[in-house]
Amino acid sequence: KAGVTQTPRYLIKTRGQQVTLSCSPISGHRSVSWYQQTPGQGLQFLFEYFSETQRNKGNFPGRFSGRQFSNSRSEMNVSTLELGDSALYLCASRQGASYEQYFGPGTRLTVT
Amino acid sequence: QQQVKQSPQSLIVQKGGISIINCAYENTAFDYFPWYQQFPGKGPALLIAIRPDVSEKKEGRFTISFNKSAKQFSLHIMDSQPGDSATYFCAASLNSGNTPLVFGKGTRLSVIA
Repeated sequence: KAGVTQTPRYLIKTRGQQVTLSCSPISGHRSVSWYQQTPGQGLQFLFEYFSETQRNKGNFPGRFSGRQFSNSRSEMNVSTLELGDSALYLCASRQGASYEQYFGPGTRLTVT
Repeated sequence: QQQVKQSPQSLIVQKGGISIINCAYENTAFDYFPWYQQFPGKGPALLIAIRPDVSEKKEGRFTISFNKSAKQFSLHIMDSQPGDSATYFCAASLNSGNTPLVFGKGTRLSVIA
């Protein structure tokens, strides 16, 4: 079974731009969560989607948004990028009733 | 407020030795405690996990010890190998995993020959 895939793997953007990241979960997994990983703050939860509905949301500004499609693929969008948004963005998927979350390789976003 | 505190930040262990990483949590409602292993340039990989109804879980060279009264859990890596050199994260969640994982800050493990 293929793992969680994320595209693109690397991205360089300029302050003020917006960016869209994509995540394809493991086949059969209906829950997708997004996390931001930085050296200073560690792994922080952004939001979780299940069956196209946002189920949980972390403490991030409204510039961070996401959505999930009917095939469980998910996208997250960051508008008006700031230097502090530079991070590794990780997507994790799990089956709806399972504890176990499986992470993708992440998208490394650099904001200049 | 950091709900899961992990220590040490970094750890150097001789090949063949035992690596021990500790985590303490505050929320007694947490009911799922996984450990993740992350290599540079990769996403975290689920290593082993425990529920609070057991005090220990072993999978190969990896063991989780869980102390509910102390609100602590730890990862033991027996016979540590250079290939185990990675960053390890503990985490916790509640409501049968239906809430987000709360992660510790991570421990960078180096196993030297």
